[in-house]
Amino acid sequence: DTAVSQTPKYLVTQMGNDKSIKCEQNLGHDTMYWYKQDSKKFLKIMFSYNNKELIINETVPNRFSPKSPDKAHLNLHINSLELGDSAVYFCASSQGQGRWQYFGPGTRLTVT
Amino acid sequence: QQQVKQSPQSLIVQKGGISIINCAYENTAFDYFPWYQQFPGKGPALLIAIRPDVSEKKEGRFTISFNKSAKQFSLHIMDSQPGDSATYFCAATNTGNQFYFGTGTSLTVIP
Repeated sequence: DTAVSQTPKYLVTQMGNDKSIKCEQNLGHDTMYWYKQDSKKFLKIMFSYNNKELIINETVPNRFSPKSPDKAHLNLHINSLELGDSAVYFCASSQGQGRWQYFGPGTRLTVT
Repeated sequence: QQQVKQSPQSLIVQKGGISIINCAYENTAFDYFPWYQQFPGKGPALLIAIRPDVSEKKEGRFTISFNKSAKQFSLHIMDSQPGDSATYFCAATNTGNQFYFGTGTSLTVIP
């Protein structure tokens, strides 16, 4: 059983489009995160949700909007995609905030 | 501003050797220091973690050394194996929900 899953694994789209990435965890965790990993492998936290409540909202363009329908799901919607949005996006979850985090396999987004 | 500084950026070690990766932080509010291992095409996976009230933690071939006064911590991989070749990230976090990764170290272990 996959602990943290993301769909899709790959996403290729054109500038200006809107796209969503879905994340689900079956670990019973109460906190979920979105990270962006750029081409230099630098990992940066974007958002954190605890019990469906937004906890961390780092300096991210408001084109990015997370949505947590329940504790097991955290989706990321991106409007008006730009070239600079090309990266690998990771979802993660933990029990409690900031501690042992389990990462999903990542979604490679390519904007052309 | 990089909250956690990691070095070296890349490291090549012979099989059986010791791999050492260093990290430094400034914010004394950090109270949990995990290390993650990431293989190509995979998400980071927690390897080992330490709290600042402990100076060393060992799990198998992996050891974290922590120097609270210097605000530095390091990962030592003993008897490095080709299967250890991956990117390693240190991180620092606290109960205030701040969570920062280092810039990563690409480790290559040569057979």
